[in-house]
Amino acid sequence: ETGVTQTPRHLVMGMTNKKSLKCEQHLGHNAMYWYKQSAKKPLELMFVYNFKEQTENNSVPSRFSPECPNSSHLFLHLHTLQPEDSALYLCASSQRGTSGGAPDTQYFGPGTRLTVL
Amino acid sequence: DQQVKQNSPSLSVQEGRISILNCDYTNSMFDYFLWYKKYPAEGPTFLISISSIKDKNEDGRFTVFLNKSAKHLSLHIVPSQPGDSAVYFCAASTYQNFGNEKLTFGTGTRLTIIP
Repeated sequence: ETGVTQTPRHLVMGMTNKKSLKCEQHLGHNAMYWYKQSAKKPLELMFVYNFKEQTENNSVPSRFSPECPNSSHLFLHLHTLQPEDSALYLCASSQRGTSGGAPDTQYFGPGTRLTVL
Repeated sequence: DQQVKQNSPSLSVQEGRISILNCDYTNSMFDYFLWYKKYPAEGPTFLISISSIKDKNEDGRFTVFLNKSAKHLSLHIVPSQPGDSAVYFCAASTYQNFGNEKLTFGTGTRLTIIP
């Protein structure tokens, strides 16, 4: 595998289910991100992890719970979601501190299309 | 309130012609602007960026222009090729220690190149 992979690619869940999204990066990066893209809305940053530590939580509801066990893996645990949480969830990774002030280039996975019934 | 706006949801351009994608922003603290390209069933991929201290950056067929006074940037693709058909996202960032963590994205413009 190369780049950033995400599983599953599609997920349908009921509001009472518990599921997890998985992201893995094969780029040796030290930062990972979760984004949400709802229909006709911009990509919205949810969480940022640097060196496995969470450094950004963009006011995300607690029904979304991230986990970063190491710098290559990132999970998003989902529980008691609402239909409005249906969206494309994108994971990204970057190598921090190498761009000399320019934004680190973020490499995105293909996303998980989540539908909450 | 959207700080980065792409007001054209779609654009069709003849192959070989110039494609111009536009982006407006409201936050004067943004110091870098980026364009990402997304094909169906794939994640966005970085295309080109520009620092707020510049007004132009060129990379092959892609040129980004920045007009700070108007808070406007544009991506020019010339000549346009069928493989350029994709959704293009404008994004902006503010400087943070040791590189950027937070990008603010627009809603995207779907570019279709007509053969």
